[in-house]
Amino acid sequence: AQSVAQPEDQVNVAEGNPLTVKCTYSVSGNPYLFWYVQYPNRGLQFLLKYITGDNLVKGSYGFEAEFNKSQTSFHLKKPSALVSDSALYFCAVRDDNQGGKLIFGQGTELSVKP
Amino acid sequence: KAGVTQTPRYLIKTRGQQVTLSCSPISGHRSVSWYQQTPGQGLQFLFEYFSETQRNKGNFPGRFSGRQFSNSRSEMNVSTLELGDSALYLCASSWDASTYNEQFFGPGTRLTVL
Repeated sequence: AQSVAQPEDQVNVAEGNPLTVKCTYSVSGNPYLFWYVQYPNRGLQFLLKYITGDNLVKGSYGFEAEFNKSQTSFHLKKPSALVSDSALYFCAVRDDNQGGKLIFGQGTELSVKP
Repeated sequence: KAGVTQTPRYLIKTRGQQVTLSCSPISGHRSVSWYQQTPGQGLQFLFEYFSETQRNKGNFPGRFSGRQFSNSRSEMNVSTLELGDSALYLCASSWDASTYNEQFFGPGTRLTVL
């Protein structure tokens, strides 16, 4: 069965420092991986996706993610965090057999302090 | 382009009642998916529709149902409401039901069951 794990409920970072939000996955077929961000009282906003190709994927707002097949990970990164990056981040996965269905991790609350 | 719209944004119902939520996808998008978000269970997939056909269904009881119209607009219905149905219901649309395409989410309908 497909699954996604975000091992940290919360990540605290100082503004200007690099940030990493961790994600590991399990699928039976080829993984298709996504990161979304959710601000309070809002829906989810798409940040980036990995389908195939380069393991380093660049997305919106300066975020990037690194796909590591051997470690089944897809960690979200940003070189320099902003206070405005504070939000709830979700990793999600699909495999070949599930159409559009996304399986989400539990979410990681990112807090960036000035 | 206008984003995904969901109506109503907030809803209060009592146990035993039924409710219908509406979703209008981004213009040109033909696939609509529904998710339930709760603090305890996180984001869970409800169902996916493409060209008026349900393509995929999550692990929810039969009280949860949906449909899609010829203009791609979608509704979901929950009958015989239970307290545990209180949640944020998110609708997401994508160009098609391809595994590769990201989904774009609406702001959600906050359902409270008393």
